[in-house]
Amino acid sequence: KNEVEQSPQNLTAQEGEFITINCSYSVGISALHWLQQHPGGGIVSLFMLSSGKKKHGRLIATINIQEKHSSLHITASHPRDSAVYICAVDSGGSNYKLTFGKGTLLTVNP
Amino acid sequence: DADVTQTPRNRIKKTGKRIMLECSQTKGHDRMYWYRQDPGLGLRLIYYSFDVKDINKGEISDGYSVSRQAQAKFSLSLESAIPNQTALYFCATSGQGANQPQHFGDGTRLSIL
Repeated sequence: KNEVEQSPQNLTAQEGEFITINCSYSVGISALHWLQQHPGGGIVSLFMLSSGKKKHGRLIATINIQEKHSSLHITASHPRDSAVYICAVDSGGSNYKLTFGKGTLLTVNP
Repeated sequence: DADVTQTPRNRIKKTGKRIMLECSQTKGHDRMYWYRQDPGLGLRLIYYSFDVKDINKGEISDGYSVSRQAQAKFSLSLESAIPNQTALYFCATSGQGANQPQHFGDGTRLSIL
């Protein structure tokens, strides 16, 4: 079983819809990352959080440490939001280990 | 100019050939990483380096080697490439300390025939 599970694997939405992508993990973590990968392949870090909630523009990330769950929300979605969204958890400690989910492919249609 | 630059962006090579992928960064970060990405799988760590004299194996280091030539440069080598090393390879950097965001290059698409 993968330590980091994302759902859904694929998501298609109409422009303007509210989007939620979920991430569940099974290990103790020091931080959780949300990344965006565009069709060209490049990866961009969106958020890093260890508690509560962060907001950047139309993107909101939340985390519940007790439930080992995080969500990424996109408000007023736009076709340019179409990308793969990747959740990754940092288990901390002296040995580096960042474990990645398989990603959620989001397609936003005009 | 990109903060993390990978070269080449694409490469096609025959089985058994030696291949080097290069990564350079202008972010001044001490920590650098090499990952591979395969369809249907998450990113997996090949090697990482926390400073010039530090090299560590990741979860899938077999068949790969690395060199940290300087703070800004981290190269990945496939000594004798095989077809199952066909993948998208990413270099990333991060600052020191816990819980730092990672900054990725644009990736190298490698095909081994």
